[in-house]
Amino acid sequence: GALVYQYPRRTICKSGTSMRMECQAVGFQATSVAWYRQSPQKTFELIALSTVNSAIKYEQNFTQEKFPISHPNLSFSSMTVLNAYLEDRGLYLCGATPGLGDEQYFGPGTRLTVL
Amino acid sequence: GQQVQQSPSSLVLQEGENAELQCNFSSTATQLQWFYQSPGGSLVSLLSNPSGTKHTGRLTSTTVTKERRSSLHISSSQTTDSGTYLCAIENTNTGKLTFGDGTVLTVKP
Repeated sequence: GALVYQYPRRTICKSGTSMRMECQAVGFQATSVAWYRQSPQKTFELIALSTVNSAIKYEQNFTQEKFPISHPNLSFSSMTVLNAYLEDRGLYLCGATPGLGDEQYFGPGTRLTVL
Repeated sequence: GQQVQQSPSSLVLQEGENAELQCNFSSTATQLQWFYQSPGGSLVSLLSNPSGTKHTGRLTSTTVTKERRSSLHISSSQTTDSGTYLCAIENTNTGKLTFGDGTVLTVKP
């Protein structure tokens, strides 16, 4: 079956420091990987959508300078939260899909706490 | 952009009762998924149903594409069904999922 793993599951960082999170797809080719953040208010926000062999598309209010993403192959993606502050708290979810129109498979998320 | 509205925002049931959750969306979708989010935050895909009716276990989803709505029916609810149910629509040609705000289901013993 198709599975998505995320690491770490939980992390705490000091304000102003950076945190890298990883996403691993197993059992299918992750042609596209989307990174989402669910805020403490439970709202889901798309950060960026990465498709292999295409440029990474960031949503409004999210930038590559703040959330650099790497998607080097069809099974792995990573995202870093640079200079994390309180407003970056939340659950970061990775959703991967073989292609447009296909079901997206989600990892369990990385919960980020910023002190 | 795409908007997704879910109703009700919360629902409380006694164990054994059925639940009906609704999802309305503003524009054509190439993909529609229902997710379950546990209290811990993990997101589990329940059904992928861009059109028609699909069943899995105690879950039935019916999507009427022309009317831009989908429903999720949970039969014989159990306490372990408690959590948040999310509807997400994939925008045509972009692969971007837009989530609704979810329905928080509480099933009491």
